[in-house]
Amino acid sequence: DIQMTQSPSSVSASVGDRVTITCRASQTISSWLAWYQQKPGKAPKLLIYAASSLQSGVPSRFSGSGSGTDFTLTISSLQPEDFATYYCQQANSFPLFTFGPGTKVDIK
Amino acid sequence: EVQLVESGGGLIQPGGSLRLSCAASGFTVSSKYMSWVRQAPGKGLEWVSLIYSGGNTYYADSVKGRFTISRDKSKNTLYLQMNSLRAEDSAVYYCARYDDYYYAMDVWGQGTTVTVSS
Repeated sequence: DIQMTQSPSSVSASVGDRVTITCRASQTISSWLAWYQQKPGKAPKLLIYAASSLQSGVPSRFSGSGSGTDFTLTISSLQPEDFATYYCQQANSFPLFTFGPGTKVDIK
Repeated sequence: EVQLVESGGGLIQPGGSLRLSCAASGFTVSSKYMSWVRQAPGKGLEWVSLIYSGGNTYYADSVKGRFTISRDKSKNTLYLQMNSLRAEDSAVYYCARYDDYYYAMDVWGQGTTVTVSS
């Protein structure tokens, strides 16, 4: 089974900060990685697919990069509405998906 | 508008059964890969099950043999039959559309809460 890890588990940041979240797979997953944003009490929302492609309607301050086993999600200038938990998810072993444990971005 | 609406959650005793429903609008459930994902209180996301457009089904080891995913074409609805429920199955259950262009879950329902407790 492919295991996913994320770091940090939480980050405190201010509006306007650049935030980077890392996701690592236990084996190579090519570019079959997605990033989701989840706000409290809400369903996850797809932000990035295929490691670096921005989902329609998602602000351009979000970007993804990486391939193989190491991936990053970057928020270039944190906005108030970006405070949330972010999850990575691998689809290389489709249809057996794995999510990362999540990274909570909260207000400093 | 593309939308998923779950229902059927509730409080159930250990060992009991429950069927969750996910009504879709704006697209045809039977033509897409559809999935169930759950989230235990205060925890992360856990993939539970997926059904192919062709009908093949897949399950996480934690629910294999106890849960069954299915769909009704006439009602454009996805289901999750959950049997032999355990306390650790308590979670918010989301249905999601898996898009094989994005290789990701691009549409999610609002979730329905299942609590397994005596």
